[in-house]
Amino acid sequence: TQLLEQSPQFLSIQEGENLTVYCNSSSVFSSLQWYRQEPGEGPVLLVTVVTGGEVKKLKRLTFQFGDARKDSSLHITAAQPGDTGLYLCAGGGYSWGKLQFGAGTQVVVTP
Amino acid sequence: EAGVAQSPRYKIIEKRQSVAFWCNPISGHATLYWYQQILGQGPKLLIQFQNNGVVDDSQLPKDRFSAERLKGVDSTLKIQPAKLEDSAVYLCASSLDGGRTEAFFGQGTRLTVV
Repeated sequence: TQLLEQSPQFLSIQEGENLTVYCNSSSVFSSLQWYRQEPGEGPVLLVTVVTGGEVKKLKRLTFQFGDARKDSSLHITAAQPGDTGLYLCAGGGYSWGKLQFGAGTQVVVTP
Repeated sequence: EAGVAQSPRYKIIEKRQSVAFWCNPISGHATLYWYQQILGQGPKLLIQFQNNGVVDDSQLPKDRFSAERLKGVDSTLKIQPAKLEDSAVYLCASSLDGGRTEAFFGQGTRLTVV
């Protein structure tokens, strides 16, 4: 059972379109991290959000952490084929900070 | 800065055989994780070390899986005996200080049990 629920599971869009991926949980996290994973590689960190209500922008990517620190969203503007990949959210616990992942959203951007 | 190193990259074994994976984390990283990623799923935490002590191994199938991190640096993960359902990518990651800091991942070891 995944502690973090990601939706949708799969998203296929055309280049130039916008998309949003969601990450929800019933648990409170000290931090929420977003990773992108390409085939045959390990996940690579995109951003870490730690404050409830926090919004971070990374070029065309916008990340938001919910006020209650239980959910997050990733929005991509004007998607490009290079954005194709598996997007994973991961929640960091308190104390020693166990890091647990959602099942991921597979994003495919076609030219 | 060198990344997380894992070996081997690929391994094919028959069921009931044993296998071991090796991980060298980033220098100075106190926390080391082993994750299992089954095709189409997110990584599942198997075990987390803080230096050479185990912080969490609640999802490690201890009847067949074992892991150690001697001297708080390198780590090995062993499966004995392997089952078909153990086919997955085994990812090692390290971070400075648990889930509050970025985890850096190795490329993983793809295990196929036939």
